[in-house]
Amino acid sequence: GQNIDQPTEMTATEGAIVQINCTYQTSGFNGLFWYQQHAGEAPTFLSYNVLDGLEEKGRFSSFLSRSKGYSYLLLKELQMKDSASYLCAVMDSNYQLIWGAGTKLIIKP
Amino acid sequence: ETGVTQTPRHLVMGMTNKKSLKCEQHLGHNAMYWYKQSAKKPLELMFVYNFKEQTENNSVPSRFSPECPNSSHLFLHLHTLQPEDSALYLCASSQGTSGSPDTQYFGPGTRLTVL
Repeated sequence: GQNIDQPTEMTATEGAIVQINCTYQTSGFNGLFWYQQHAGEAPTFLSYNVLDGLEEKGRFSSFLSRSKGYSYLLLKELQMKDSASYLCAVMDSNYQLIWGAGTKLIIKP
Repeated sequence: ETGVTQTPRHLVMGMTNKKSLKCEQHLGHNAMYWYKQSAKKPLELMFVYNFKEQTENNSVPSRFSPECPNSSHLFLHLHTLQPEDSALYLCASSQGTSGSPDTQYFGPGTRLTVL
């Protein structure tokens, strides 16, 4: 079966750095997406990785290793507004998104 | 700012009621999706429409009935729901380019409670 694993919840301190991991086992691979979802709001697109390596976008970076079935989202200089759920999703061989359950990130002052 | 809107944002209904959820996208996309999001569970894809044609129905019970009159509008008709259907229902849209990765853009969802 297809499976996406990510931690249920993480806590970090304002100003610090946090890494949210995602491991996957899917039928084929056509890229990995990260979304941010604030409570009661729409998931919003953060990043897309299809090649190995690190993609940096401001305070957020996303890393992919296809051979290991592994990705992480790195958030730097954490702000209170970064408190949200972070969803990992893999596009399989049929171009269908397989979703993880999300990681709830709590930022403390 | 989201280019995908959903109404209503909140809905409470009894098991014998009939109601409809509405989604509208202003992004010029050709594909639209319905997802169910339950607490601490992955998003569950329910239906996919591409160029107004239904291309995916993930074994969804018949008490959920989708309708896509055009590429900008998507409805989810609800009838005889069960309490376990209570969840956040998310609509999304994408370019709809078949055979290539396609970023989906989401609406804010309808929080549905079935009594």
